[in-house]
Amino acid sequence: SQELEQSPQSLIVQEGKNLTINCTSSKTLYGLYWYKQKYGEGLIFLMMLQKGGEEKSHEKITAKLDEKKQQSSLHITASQPSHAGIYLCGADTAGGTSYGKLTFGQGTILTVHP
Amino acid sequence: DTEVTQTPKHLVMGMTNKKSLKCEQHMGHRAMYWYKQKAKKPPELMFVYSYEKLSINESVPSRFSPECPNSSLLNLHLHALQPEDSALYLCASSARSYNEQFFGPGTRLTVL
Repeated sequence: SQELEQSPQSLIVQEGKNLTINCTSSKTLYGLYWYKQKYGEGLIFLMMLQKGGEEKSHEKITAKLDEKKQQSSLHITASQPSHAGIYLCGADTAGGTSYGKLTFGQGTILTVHP
Repeated sequence: DTEVTQTPKHLVMGMTNKKSLKCEQHMGHRAMYWYKQKAKKPPELMFVYSYEKLSINESVPSRFSPECPNSSLLNLHLHALQPEDSALYLCASSARSYNEQFFGPGTRLTVL
């Protein structure tokens, strides 16, 4: 099974609606990263979470890491067409001397209809 | 300068060619990374350099040879590639290996 499970795989919403993307790890997370990617382009860093219970926000996007550090959620409020893209969670589950070894979830394709 | 640059943007090569991908950052980051991304799949880590030393090699075939000449530059030398190596190759950098990684735009590689 996948080390990092992301859900849903795809999401279609109407502009203005709220949405949530989940990322669940089978291992303890030493760092959880959220990225956005347009097809064929590089990844854009959104947020990094490290501490259990941590929550960060940037503009209309909020990310949380649960207390047990095995699950994270990304919430977008009042979605806009500019939010469309592929959202990827990346996890550092090794820590220690293997810092930097990120594995990614399969991604969530977000479509926002005007 | 707050970005990671990659050249070339596109590369087409034959299986007997030798080519190199280049990645550069001027943010003072001391960790740099190579990822491979196939279509509709997430990026997969290939190599990690920390303080110009190779710290992680994810069992990548020897036809891919990384090089970190200095703290700002990361190369990926390609030789005798196979068509299945065609992919988007992404470079990333971070202040230290435990910090968030910033990605370049990628090089689209096609092996004929």
